[in-house]
Amino acid sequence: DIQMTQSPSSLSASIGDRVTITCQASQDISNYLNWYQQKPGKAPKLLIYDASHLETGVPSRFSGSGSGTDFIFTINSLQPEDIATYYCQRYGNLPLTFGGGTKVEIK
Amino acid sequence: QVQLVESGGGVVQPGDSLRLSCAASGFTFSDSGMHWVRQAPGKGLEWVAFIRFDGSNKYYVDSVKGRFTISRDNSKNTLYLQMNSLRVEDTAIYYCAKDKGSGITWLGWFDPWGRGTLVTVSS
Repeated sequence: DIQMTQSPSSLSASIGDRVTITCQASQDISNYLNWYQQKPGKAPKLLIYDASHLETGVPSRFSGSGSGTDFIFTINSLQPEDIATYYCQRYGNLPLTFGGGTKVEIK
Repeated sequence: QVQLVESGGGVVQPGDSLRLSCAASGFTFSDSGMHWVRQAPGKGLEWVAFIRFDGSNKYYVDSVKGRFTISRDNSKNTLYLQMNSLRVEDTAIYYCAKDKGSGITWLGWFDPWGRGTLVTVSS
């Protein structure tokens, strides 16, 4: 199975900071990568698909990039409502797998 | 709007069975592949199973193969997960999620998700 390694597992940043999360696949997955946001006590929500495409209605401060094995998720100008855990997710073949998650907190 | 509501969770003992349901509304259920995804307490997300729009194909993560069965009733707009021989490690919130694709094209993306139902396996 293709493993997804996400880092860091947690981070603390100030309002307005730029936040970067990385996700690495154990083998080439092209751009078959999504990013989800899970707020405390809530279900996950799809933010970015195909590595870099913003889902409709998602604020433009969120972005994604990368292909192959290395991917980056960025929040430009962190807002209080962005407090959540973020997960990368690989698709394209089975089993579908997630990264371990990155918990984002306010400093 | 699209709504997914899970039910059927509870506390059971190891070896017991449980059936989860997911009632769907706000979209053409019979045209959508559906997934179950779980999350152990304080842990990350794990895909569990997928069923195609017409129920013709079903796929599972290795850890539940032979124990869990995904099914659907398109006349009732309802997805199911029959869980047999439950283990302590199956303890989790179980979410149903709609696949982002439609018809014969499924993508392996989860959008949207239900609010989940908690399954606790404990002696």
